[in-house]
Amino acid sequence: GAGVSQSPSNKVTEKGKDVELRCDPISGHTALYWYRQSLGQGLEFLIYFQGNSAPDKSGLPSDRFSAERTGGSVSTLTIQRTQQEDSAVYLCASSLDSGGYNEQFFGPGTRLTVL
Amino acid sequence: GDSVTQMEGPVTLSEEAFLTINCTYTATGYPSLFWYVQYPGEGLQLLLKATKADDKGSNKGFEATYRKETTSFHLEKGSVQVSDSAVYFCALTLLNQAGTALIFGKGTTLSVSS
Repeated sequence: GAGVSQSPSNKVTEKGKDVELRCDPISGHTALYWYRQSLGQGLEFLIYFQGNSAPDKSGLPSDRFSAERTGGSVSTLTIQRTQQEDSAVYLCASSLDSGGYNEQFFGPGTRLTVL
Repeated sequence: GDSVTQMEGPVTLSEEAFLTINCTYTATGYPSLFWYVQYPGEGLQLLLKATKADDKGSNKGFEATYRKETTSFHLEKGSVQVSDSAVYFCALTLLNQAGTALIFGKGTTLSVSS
């Protein structure tokens, strides 16, 4: 079966522009997570969805970052007024549900470069 | 806060050498512990996990034992191969919290030469 997919795989944008990153989780997985991987900070949690609701947004670095999930499936991470420090690989993961025992399956990531 | 500390790399070994990558954690609750691996050009994938103290996770010749007394989860392999070259991440989740996000260490790059 299909794994977690993300698009685009690469995104280059200019400082100040908005970007949207998409994640398509594994079918039937109710929990969805966004992480950011950068050289300086390693892998950081951003936000988690259970179904369409986001009980934990604690990792979002600023109010320029937002995310939504519709139909319990696809999720979009939006970064407004991008800054150079937003350059990173954005990873999405999904799991069967939000229990800590469940393996999180990761997508290939979107590499974001802000010029 | 909860955190994971793992040895910094890069770790450079010859084929068939013994591998240890150290990982220690700090957690307020009862963590599950994981090792994830990222091969060049590929996404993160789960290598092994352990969900309670004294559990041993194992996969592809790799092993790690959940040591509560030393708060450690060191990754070991008796004989590494060139194909093991990758970045290895130690991580934890907390079972007593819903929607437990993974908390990762910084990653250790392993390079194995023939």
